[in-house]
Amino acid sequence: KAGVTQTPRYLIKTRGQQVTLSCSPISGHRSVSWYQQTPGQGLQFLFEYFSETQRNKGNFPGRFSGRQFSNSRSEMNVSTLELGDSALYLCASSLMSSSGVPYEQYFGPGTRLTVT
Amino acid sequence: AQTVTQSQPEMSVQEAETVTLSCTYDTSENNYYLFWYKQPPSRQMILVIRQEAYKQQNATENRFSVNFQKAAKSFSLKISDSQLGDTAMYFCAFMKQGWDMRFGAGTRLTVKP
Repeated sequence: KAGVTQTPRYLIKTRGQQVTLSCSPISGHRSVSWYQQTPGQGLQFLFEYFSETQRNKGNFPGRFSGRQFSNSRSEMNVSTLELGDSALYLCASSLMSSSGVPYEQYFGPGTRLTVT
Repeated sequence: AQTVTQSQPEMSVQEAETVTLSCTYDTSENNYYLFWYKQPPSRQMILVIRQEAYKQQNATENRFSVNFQKAAKSFSLKISDSQLGDTAMYFCAFMKQGWDMRFGAGTRLTVKP
């Protein structure tokens, strides 16, 4: 089975711009989560989608948004980029059941976003 | 809110020896899941081991085992017969049923030849 894929792998943007990151989960996985990883804050949960619905959201401003498509692929969008948004953005997919029982998460390689 | 604490920012171990990484967490929940993830220098996060809180038996995966102390809210990872390929950042993580996963700050483990 193919693993979780994320595109692009690297991205350089300017302050004020917006960016869209893409994540394709493992086939059959319906839960997709997004995380931001920075040296200072570590790994922080952004949001989680299951069957096209955002079930959970971390403590991030409204500039961070996401969506999930019917094929479980997910995108996250960051508008009005700030220097502090520079980070590694990780996507993870899971075979989580509809009742919310989680199985292990499988992570993608991440998208390295640099904001200048 | 759930918090996860890894008190050892860095550790090192000689090849073939045993090392234990510590993790404590804070929650008022009774049903939850705990994980150890490994992030090698290549950056791909890999699940090492998983433990369900309702299970009293400690999880084991080959050279990796945990010491889960529910009352103490402790979840340590023991790596036996350490190998050079075990060099990585190790993250302890907590997940409440149907909720997001919370990670600790990580422990950087170096296995020395």
